[in-house]
Amino acid sequence: ETGVTQTPRHLVMGMTNKKSLKCEQHLGHNAMYWYKQSAKKPLELMFVYSLEERVENNSVPSRFSPECPNSSHLFLHLHTLQPEDSALYLCASSPGQGRGYTFGSGTRLTVV
Amino acid sequence: GENVEQHPSTLSVQEGDSAVIKCTYSDSASNYFPWYKQELGKRPQLIIDIRSNVGEKKDQRIAVTLNKTAKHFSLHITETQPEDSAVYFCAAVGGYNKLIFGAGTRLAVHP
Repeated sequence: ETGVTQTPRHLVMGMTNKKSLKCEQHLGHNAMYWYKQSAKKPLELMFVYSLEERVENNSVPSRFSPECPNSSHLFLHLHTLQPEDSALYLCASSPGQGRGYTFGSGTRLTVV
Repeated sequence: GENVEQHPSTLSVQEGDSAVIKCTYSDSASNYFPWYKQELGKRPQLIIDIRSNVGEKKDQRIAVTLNKTAKHFSLHITETQPEDSAVYFCAAVGGYNKLIFGAGTRLAVHP
């Protein structure tokens, strides 16, 4: 484990379902990120949280809703998704100040 | 907006040969450039990084060069081995330490 844990590892959901992805980091980092990785657009930045405040929303559809209750936890709430939302969703954290990310293992999401 | 372009998209080499992957970035304020390796079904992992006050950095068989004037940086892998086969991503840092990634290079090292 790298210190960034994502659950669940795999998720299959229908288009009318509501589910949440969870990310937890034990590295003392102050920034957390959600990325979407698909064959069409590898490592596409979705959201950035710095010190628990959302500082970037990269034109992501409202059916994706992030939440950062504290500096160690990050959620991605999903509702009424489309099949094209099927992808690997990666969480990452960083200590900031131009230093590298540590990625979680990702959640493989399939929308049916 | 911020953009990172990466070439080639696929690279096939014989074991023992060298491999070079090139990236260009658009944000002149970027000052940190990491490289990640992602094996099939696994998370991206940081393999080397370089800051804008350095022109070259080396770690065993891996080296990275940076040309800030040209906004260009490259990854060099020497004496490639089959276990080097993976997808490699370059990145450049933007505001709030967000990393903008290149599209990736799929490297195949053939025995």
